[in-house]
Amino acid sequence: IAGITQAPTSQILAAGRRMTLRCTQDMRHNAMYWYRQDLGLGLRLIHYSNTAGTTGKGEVPDGYSVSRANTDDFPLTLASAVPSQTSVYFCASSKQGGTEAFFGQGTRLTVV
Amino acid sequence: QKEVEQDPGPLSVPEGAIVSLNCTYSNSAFQYFMWYRQYSRKGPELLMYTYSSGNKEDGRFTAQVDKSSKYISLFIRDSQPSDSATYLCAMNKGYSSASKIIFGSGTRLSIRP
Repeated sequence: IAGITQAPTSQILAAGRRMTLRCTQDMRHNAMYWYRQDLGLGLRLIHYSNTAGTTGKGEVPDGYSVSRANTDDFPLTLASAVPSQTSVYFCASSKQGGTEAFFGQGTRLTVV
Repeated sequence: QKEVEQDPGPLSVPEGAIVSLNCTYSNSAFQYFMWYRQYSRKGPELLMYTYSSGNKEDGRFTAQVDKSSKYISLFIRDSQPSDSATYLCAMNKGYSSASKIIFGSGTRLSIRP
């Protein structure tokens, strides 16, 4: 089934540790996004990529980095996790920048 | 002020009622408007996608956009318990590499059997 796959589905992480959230899509979409979702704050854009080889900062990029080596994969890395990064992380993709986005099932991350 | 404002609810209505969900926005450059439905512990799924002002209907769902008032609505007719979810509005400026999708914070809807 075509779509977006995120891994892991959930993770408990010690503060200070490095963590990479994986995201893969098989729809050949050009644009990909990482959002975090927190109660009362909705979905906030962390980083995005409009095409392979390019990335951009969203609304809340601090503490996160991304890479886009190819069309299908868009990993999100927390270099040194902090408790405020406890959240649900969603990866999404769209055919091109600005068109409707399709979401993965999310990664529930707890930093302790 | 947030670019997109949405009442968080919760909104509780009896089965069969017509539901009205709304968002307001401040940026007149927004041209594309979306509604997503999100069930608990799941990712958002796209429900409706409209361009500029006007109405769009899909089964029991109708999306309305009033650009002059910077106001969008989603109507659900003959609401069902399975419609219980969080509904998020979203919008962007159009098809361009610089355009990002901005989301409302979501309205939690509960349909009582």
